[in-house]
Amino acid sequence: AQSVTQLGSHVSVSEGALVLLRCNYSSSVPPYLFWYVQYPNQGLQLLLKYTSAATLVKGINGFEAEFKKSETSFHLTKPSAHMSDAAEYFCAVSGADSSYKLIFGSGTRLLVRP
Amino acid sequence: DSGVTQTPKHLITATGQRVTLRCSPRSGDLSVYWYQQSLDQGLQFLIQYYNGEERAKGNILERFSAQQFPDLHSELNLSSLELGDSALYFCASSSSPLGQTGLNTEAFFGQGTRLTVV
Repeated sequence: AQSVTQLGSHVSVSEGALVLLRCNYSSSVPPYLFWYVQYPNQGLQLLLKYTSAATLVKGINGFEAEFKKSETSFHLTKPSAHMSDAAEYFCAVSGADSSYKLIFGSGTRLLVRP
Repeated sequence: DSGVTQTPKHLITATGQRVTLRCSPRSGDLSVYWYQQSLDQGLQFLIQYYNGEERAKGNILERFSAQQFPDLHSELNLSSLELGDSALYFCASSSSPLGQTGLNTEAFFGQGTRLTVV
């Protein structure tokens, strides 16, 4: 079965600093990987997705993620944090192992300090 | 706006009662997914429908049921409600099953229905 592990339930960075949110996956078949963001009292919005094309995926709002099969990782990065990036971020996996539904990680809350 | 509509946005009800949550997927999307988000359990997959048929089931309680209608909207029915059922319930839709080889699809989420059981 597919699963996702997000390291760190809370990450705090200063405005302008690098953002790094970690995600490791487990899958016996080539996975499809996603990062979603959830702002307070809102639904989930797709940031980016990996679907077996380029391993470096660029998303919205300056975020990107790199698929590393050898490390089973799909970490989310942004070079310079903005106050508006404060939100909860979820990594998710999908594929044949999970009957094509999204399996979510436990989420990481990003705090941005002025 | 994701194009997925969930109603109602908020629902407050008493223990033992039954409620129905409604989801209208994006135009043309055949797959509908229901998720429960609570503080202690995170985002839990409940059930998936594809073109009217149940496709996958997660940790959905027997007190909960769902269906997808011919017009593709879906309803999640929660009965004999308990305090622990209080959560945010999300519906998502996609054009085809996620992660299917050769298909570059993604799921779009609604704003959720916040259920409070008192």
